[in-house]
Order: sequence, then structure tokens, then C-alpha cells
Amino acid sequence: RKEVEQDPGPFNVPEGATVAFNCTYSNSASQSFFWYRQDCRKEPKLLMSVYSSGNEDGRFTAQLNRASQYISLLIRDSKLSDSATYLCVVSDSNDYKLSFGAGTTVTVRA
Amino acid sequence: DTGVSQNPRHKITKRGQNVTFRCDPISEHNRLYWYRQTLGQGPEFLTYFQNEAQLEKSRLLSDRFSAERPKGSFSTLEIQRTEQGDSAMYLCASQANTQYFGPGTRLTVL
Repeated sequence: RKEVEQDPGPFNVPEGATVAFNCTYSNSASQSFFWYRQDCRKEPKLLMSVYSSGNEDGRFTAQLNRASQYISLLIRDSKLSDSATYLCVVSDSNDYKLSFGAGTTVTVRA
Repeated sequence: DTGVSQNPRHKITKRGQNVTFRCDPISEHNRLYWYRQTLGQGPEFLTYFQNEAQLEKSRLLSDRFSAERPKGSFSTLEIQRTEQGDSAMYLCASQANTQYFGPGTRLTVL
């Protein structure tokens, strides 16, 4: 079983739509949680950290459910530029090495 | 450019040859990580350094792989006797609080 599981999608949505997806993680000792964004053939870039109380960054909202061990990301008012692969990432606090899901592909169409 | 840099960006080699990649982290970041990413998957942890000390190696890192960070600054990853299965994107990341990724080295083994 992979440490981080994601729905690969693709999620194909029109501009302005809301899209949401989540991931599950298996290591209950995980302490840090992130969403990274990866454009085609580019490196992953941090989109946002995910906090226990949930947090927003502009049009992006992330939620963490420790009891069920899942993390969600919601994108409101989708833009064409949101088209990317979104990687769910967890880490423990000892060595900070990151465990990535395989990614969820989002395509926003005009 | 003060980000993480990697060289070369692309490497094509024949099976059985040795290859070496270089990563220059962000100045003063004491942690440096190597990851490998294959098509359709998220990055997978290979190894990491705190300053010049290599603290952990993944079981993915066979005996053909070796990494160094001799002065606690740049790092090299060498693959000996390359195999077709080594074809992947090799990503380096450096960390103070957040991991920042370099653009990666795309290796193709023919």
C-alpha cells in the first residue's frame, strides 16, 4: 500500500468552476502536510501547507482530517492557469523527507 | 538566481555507462534531499544530507547509486552501470523550513 493515495483524475472543469479532491495517508505519525503543484515537465512547487484547523490561501482551501487521515484541496473560481498536477505530500517531523502521492491532474477549460 | 540549480538538465546515456548529476542548493540551507520521479508518479525519496553528513538512504538507492555532499554545499549523485530502469527525473531539494526543488535532471538510458 502506498503511503499517500490520490485520485489521479483527471478533473476537467470549466473556468469559474469549483473543483475539490483529496488524498489519504497511511502513516498516523505524519506531522506535516502540504499541497504541491507541478506543471508538465517542471519541478514541484509548494502551493500551501495544510494545518489542522484548515486554511485558505486566496481561492485555495485545504483541510486536514487527522482521525480519518485524509487531506483535501478545494479550488474556487478556477482559472486556466490552475491547470496542473496537484501533489499531496506528508512528512514526519524527524527528517522532513517528503512522501508524495502520484498526483491529481486538473485541467481548466475556457 | 538564488534558487536550487541542477546540472545537467538532460542526460542521455547508454546502458552500462556511469553518470553524475550535480545539485547546488540555496545558500545556507543545511538540508539537501534527492528524489526520483518516473512518469505518472510523484517524486520518491532517495537520500538526504544534513550539512555534509548523509543521514538516510532509501531502499530504492541500490549499490549502484552513491551521493556525496563533501563540503556541505553542493551535492553529487552518481549512478554506475546505468540500467534502463534508471530512466527518470532526478530532483534535488534544499530546505531551511520549506523544501524548494531544483528543475531536475532528466535521465534517459538507452
